[in-house]
Amino acid sequence: GAVVSQHPSWVICKSGTSVKIECRSLDFQATTMFWYRQFPKQSLMLMATSNEGSKATYEQGVEKDKFLINHASLTLSTLTVTSAHPEDSSFYICSAEARQGGFQPQHFGDGTRLSIL
Amino acid sequence: GENVEQHPSTLSVQEGDSAVIKCTYSDSASNYFPWYKQELGKRPQLIIDIRSNVGEKKDQRIAVTLNKTAKHFSLHITETQPEDSAVYFCAASRGGTSYDKVIFGPGTSLSVIP
Repeated sequence: GAVVSQHPSWVICKSGTSVKIECRSLDFQATTMFWYRQFPKQSLMLMATSNEGSKATYEQGVEKDKFLINHASLTLSTLTVTSAHPEDSSFYICSAEARQGGFQPQHFGDGTRLSIL
Repeated sequence: GENVEQHPSTLSVQEGDSAVIKCTYSDSASNYFPWYKQELGKRPQLIIDIRSNVGEKKDQRIAVTLNKTAKHFSLHITETQPEDSAVYFCAASRGGTSYDKVIFGPGTSLSVIP
């Protein structure tokens, strides 16, 4: 149980392109989804917290207009990297938290490796 | 906000030896501490977690200890095997509410030498 699917797994595109990444909880309802960015050999840096039906909460230093997050249902959140540039190249990974209260571990997707040429 | 530190950044052990990774956190309100294992190019996977009302938890070769007073927690892996080689992340959060965010430590790269 607790499977999180993330697509696509790998994207290569030209500078200026917008890229959408999907994060789906397949067998549970996710009240909250989180988006992280991970550089090589570094930790996971939280970008934003996505709550179903409301606006995402962005961490300090993360551009809201650059990284658009939508969480329209309890099983789907999307991250759109708008007008992507080479510096946006990174490993993006989502996680989802189950709807039940209490101490719920986060379940991670497989990540999306984004390369901007 | 919460800040999680983790040591060492790299750790090499002989197969069969024990490995210990230590973390400290700054937010006294944090009450949930998961540990994740991430293999190269793959997703982080939860290996064990501990809540603040528990001082120690064990699952086969893996154990975690928590000292709330000192605000530090540790991961212990016994009888290490080559497949334990990976990056390990500790994390802390204020578990129990819907909108918790988990703050990760910088990670420890563990190498188990056959």
